[in-house]
Amino acid sequence: QLQLQESGPGLVKPSETLSLTCSVSGASISSNNYFWAWLRQPTGKGLEWIGNAYYNGDTYYNPSLKSRVTISVDTSKNQFSLKLTSVTPADTAIYFCARRHIIPATVDYFDYWGQGILVTVSS
Amino acid sequence: DIQMTQSPSSLSASIGDRVTLTCRASQSIGSDLNWYQQRPGKAPKLLLYAASTLQSGVPSRFSGGGSGTDFILTITSLQPGDFATYFCQQSYSNPYSFGQGTKLEIK
Repeated sequence: QLQLQESGPGLVKPSETLSLTCSVSGASISSNNYFWAWLRQPTGKGLEWIGNAYYNGDTYYNPSLKSRVTISVDTSKNQFSLKLTSVTPADTAIYFCARRHIIPATVDYFDYWGQGILVTVSS
Repeated sequence: DIQMTQSPSSLSASIGDRVTLTCRASQSIGSDLNWYQQRPGKAPKLLLYAASTLQSGVPSRFSGGGSGTDFILTITSLQPGDFATYFCQQSYSNPYSFGQGTKLEIK
């Protein structure tokens, strides 16, 4: 059974960089059927797609965050990571990693999710 | 960007009821619409994809329909575990956006 688990600091200071890792178990991250995605959800609010990466390193980002986001994949560790620079309190949210199913091309959905990690931006 | 609007924002219903939730896209998205259920403190769970295809393991009490800009999620014979928040999500174009959610509460 595929499992995803987020890890990283729960508190980040304003203007600093938020760094999270998602560890994948139960399947290889090196599959051409999936993207590996990050999403976030401010407490009590809706979901926002941040971006995703393919196992070969190709990345796609939400234009609203693109200037501050980097998602990378480490196939040797079966992990992928998120870096968000210059954070402000508006970046406070629960951050989820997820698998995005993209094959066949007629379907596209997030089918496995991590449990989420709360990241608070505060001094 | 495509905006997703869900209605109602909250809904009260009883065990055994049938309910219908609505999701509207700001432009046509074909059938590129997914539905998720989120229980408090948990990650979203995929229910249906491509507007009407039930994800493996999801009870047949859940069904979806629609295309273009208007979509529905119907839940029949409500069970205690169905009281949660439901989100729609378009997979038509970047950025892949979600509705604000419909919170289904016990009457």
